[in-house]
Amino acid sequence: GNSVTQMEGPVTLSEEAFLTINCTYTATGYPSLFWYVQYPGEGLQLLLKATKADDKGSNKGFEATYRKETTSFHLEKGSVQVSDSAVYFCALSDYNQGGKLIFGQGTELSVKP
Amino acid sequence: EAGVAQSPRYKIIEKRQSVAFWCNPISGHATLYWYQQILGQGPKLLIQFQNNGVVDDSQLPKDRFSAERLKGVDSTLKIQPAKLEDSAVYLCASSYLEGAYEQYFGPGTRLTVT
Repeated sequence: GNSVTQMEGPVTLSEEAFLTINCTYTATGYPSLFWYVQYPGEGLQLLLKATKADDKGSNKGFEATYRKETTSFHLEKGSVQVSDSAVYFCALSDYNQGGKLIFGQGTELSVKP
Repeated sequence: EAGVAQSPRYKIIEKRQSVAFWCNPISGHATLYWYQQILGQGPKLLIQFQNNGVVDDSQLPKDRFSAERLKGVDSTLKIQPAKLEDSAVYLCASSYLEGAYEQYFGPGTRLTVT
């Protein structure tokens, strides 16, 4: 079945450092890919998405590219801020399976000043 | 527009007791999802409704969990009887239609079973 694997955390970075959180997926069809973020004490929020191969999703300085050849959707940001501290979830959704989201286990990011 | 509403936000019960969670989706959203998020894991789908019909309940432990979405609007998820391993955050999400539409999540209900 479909699945998502993301790098384990926690990830601790200094402010203005470069961020990469790795995400790979397994899917039988052509899924859409997502990054969700969960700030402390808040609900899940969509950060960015890509719906087909080679699409790049971007938002708030974060970006990720849908790589079909490597089945990856790595999250990157050039310069992190303390306010980016949160848990990040990679997820996929297959239209042919009703659109339910299949999530990775989450990666906790802590940014120190 | 108003977001997805859930209540209660927190609940503590003893094992073998029953509990119910309520969700009101965004107005006009036909699809409603219930996810279970165990600490340290990603959310896992329990049940998906399209209007008031069930689309997917393959991961719902039907011996103890039940859910309904009467009139195709708000929804209730019930656990009876609860087990220790049911301690988790229960998330409700809604989308305009099933498929590639964005899902909007509520704040969740944190359940602790002692």
